Amino acid sequence: GNSVTQMEGPVTLSEEAFLTINCTYTATGYPSLFWYVQYPGEGLQLLLKATKADDKGSNKGFEATYRKETTSFHLEKGSVQVSDSAVYFCALSLQGAQKLVFGQGTRLTINP
Amino acid sequence: EAGVTQSPTHLIKTRGQQATLRCSPISGHTSVYWYQQALGLGLQFLLWYDEGEERNRGNFPPRFSGRQFPNYSSELNVNALELEDSALYLCASSLEGPAGFYEQYFGPGTRLTVT
Repeated sequence: GNSVTQMEGPVTLSEEAFLTINCTYTATGYPSLFWYVQYPGEGLQLLLKATKADDKGSNKGFEATYRKETTSFHLEKGSVQVSDSAVYFCALSLQGAQKLVFGQGTRLTINP
Repeated sequence: EAGVTQSPTHLIKTRGQQATLRCSPISGHTSVYWYQQALGLGLQFLLWYDEGEERNRGNFPPRFSGRQFPNYSSELNVNALELEDSALYLCASSLEGPAGFYEQYFGPGTRLTVT
């Protein structure tokens, strides 16, 4: 079946630290990969996406590269801010199925 | 442009009752999706509607049902509520796309509490 495994949280960092949240997937076929972010009290927002192998998605200083050989899509940011505190979800979707398959989510807290 | 809206924000029901959740998609979007975010279980796909038809269904019992109206808004109905149905129910919408994948835009959710 199709599944996403995320690095377990919670993750607590100091401001300006380097962030990595690991994400690996299992899929039948060639999925599109996504990172969504959920700020406190809000719905999900798409942070970035990649639709084929070696694509790099980037947004707001966050980056993730679609690695087919390691079935991974790790999220990185060079210097985090307090405002990045949120829950981050890695997800995949297979063409035609439309539904998103999510990882368990990683709660990130950035301390000033 | 207005985003995806959901109502009510909070809903409290008693075990065995029925709950109805509503979703209005972004204007121009024809697909609506429902997800359940239960504590400890993460986000799970429930239903996908497009052009009034149910296109895909997640691994949920038949007491979870819904529909999509001609204006593309949608209802999610949960019958015979159980305690474990307590969760945040998220609605998302997108442009139509069984052939491709269009970004799903999420609403703020309805918090359902079953007592």
